[in-house]
Amino acid sequence: QSALTQPASVSGSPGQSITISCTGTSSDVGSYNLVSWYQQHPGKAPKLMIYEGSKRPSGVSNRFSGSKSGNTASLTISGLQAEDEADYYCCSYAGSSSFVVFGGGTKLTVL
Amino acid sequence: QLQLQESGPGLVKPSETLSLTCTVSGGSISSSSYYWGWIRQPPGKGLEWIGSIYYSGSTYYNPSLKSRVTISVDTSKNQFSLKLSSVTAADTAVYYCARLVVVAAILWFDPWGQGTLVTVSS
Repeated sequence: QSALTQPASVSGSPGQSITISCTGTSSDVGSYNLVSWYQQHPGKAPKLMIYEGSKRPSGVSNRFSGSKSGNTASLTISGLQAEDEADYYCCSYAGSSSFVVFGGGTKLTVL
Repeated sequence: QLQLQESGPGLVKPSETLSLTCTVSGGSISSSSYYWGWIRQPPGKGLEWIGSIYYSGSTYYNPSLKSRVTISVDTSKNQFSLKLSSVTAADTAVYYCARLVVVAAILWFDPWGQGTLVTVSS
């Protein structure tokens, strides 16, 4: 079971937009438009930010959006704020044998 | 509001079995469409899914851990548990429990417990 591929780090200035990619294979991301995204601040539990590829839970800012193209899912954060600085993880259904796979995580730095 | 809380020893000796329990409050563990899962995070590293269980007892495990993992559910106590055998230092991690929402082949984890650090050391 291989982890989904994410960039180790991304950065942006306040007010800018950034995109974090999550690349899988035809067995996970490519087959299912089902990626979820999680935000994790240091010492805290992960928090669901996007589910079903592009839906936001109640209370999550509309500055967060999700999309997918082929085997790659993306999380876009617009209007970057200092509080967005955190680690972000993608997660996908990986079929009945592996079931769940996470990405390696991306550290977002707000400059 | 659904809440999950992990409990168990914070220190386990090498070769022994790690045992953790997740207590669910504010909702029933027997709710349909929900699985319950364990995820771990070694210090400074990313998230790793360990396995998940349905209230009926149906389980899915990470293939890389399957030979050492057992996840069980106790609906009468609204709890589910993790056992990881033959632990080594590589199993040192923060262990999280979470509700896994599953709709057809769609899934996401929400909410999460606060996590509990388990250190494997003699």
